[in-house]
Amino acid sequence: NAGVMQNPRHLVRRRGQEARLRCSPMKGHSHVYWYRQLPEEGLKFMVYLQKENIIDESGMPKERFSAEFPKEGPSILRIQQVVRGDSAAYFCASSPEASGSSYNEQFFGPGTRLTVL
Amino acid sequence: DAKTTQPNSMESNEEEPVHLPCNHSTISGTDYIHWYRQLPSQGPEYVIHGLTSNVNNRMASLAIAEDRKSSTLILHRATLRDAAVYYCILRAARSNDYKLSFGAGTTVTVRA
Repeated sequence: NAGVMQNPRHLVRRRGQEARLRCSPMKGHSHVYWYRQLPEEGLKFMVYLQKENIIDESGMPKERFSAEFPKEGPSILRIQQVVRGDSAAYFCASSPEASGSSYNEQFFGPGTRLTVL
Repeated sequence: DAKTTQPNSMESNEEEPVHLPCNHSTISGTDYIHWYRQLPSQGPEYVIHGLTSNVNNRMASLAIAEDRKSSTLILHRATLRDAAVYYCILRAARSNDYKLSFGAGTTVTVRA
């Protein structure tokens, strides 16, 4: 069973460009979470999605950032008009369910490291 | 959200046990104690979790204090591959507790 896949692993963008980060959850998982890890900081929750629905985007900046998880295909985290402060590692995780009970560990992908020049 | 407190760093020698403490004095009765770790340049990975009783799995053991205000993750024989940041996280057993709240964690260094 393949793990969570993210691509690209490394992404370089110039200020003002768009960044698209992709995440394919584990087989059978319908819940996807995105986290961001700024340099020298801990991971912070950004957004939680189920198929075709955004459940919680409270951790995502209000402007320039958007996320989707279409019926077919990977989840996409999109950052428009990137700025240097967007440079970070972006991790995607998936789970079969969303609750915090003992059955629902989150499985993380290897991350996408975004560098904005 | 209930918070956890961990030491910033710990060092160990290879093949020796490592005991990682976590304080969670404001834990509620339905909070599970989860541990994740993050190896260098990788995403976090689940290690172990428990509610009240001590737990063992192939990676580690989790010892939970009787009053549940603290717990200890035990790596029985540290290897170089165990060098990572270890996070102690509380998760409520309810359907809307899906966010993992990562603190600074404990950076474990293993000496050969």
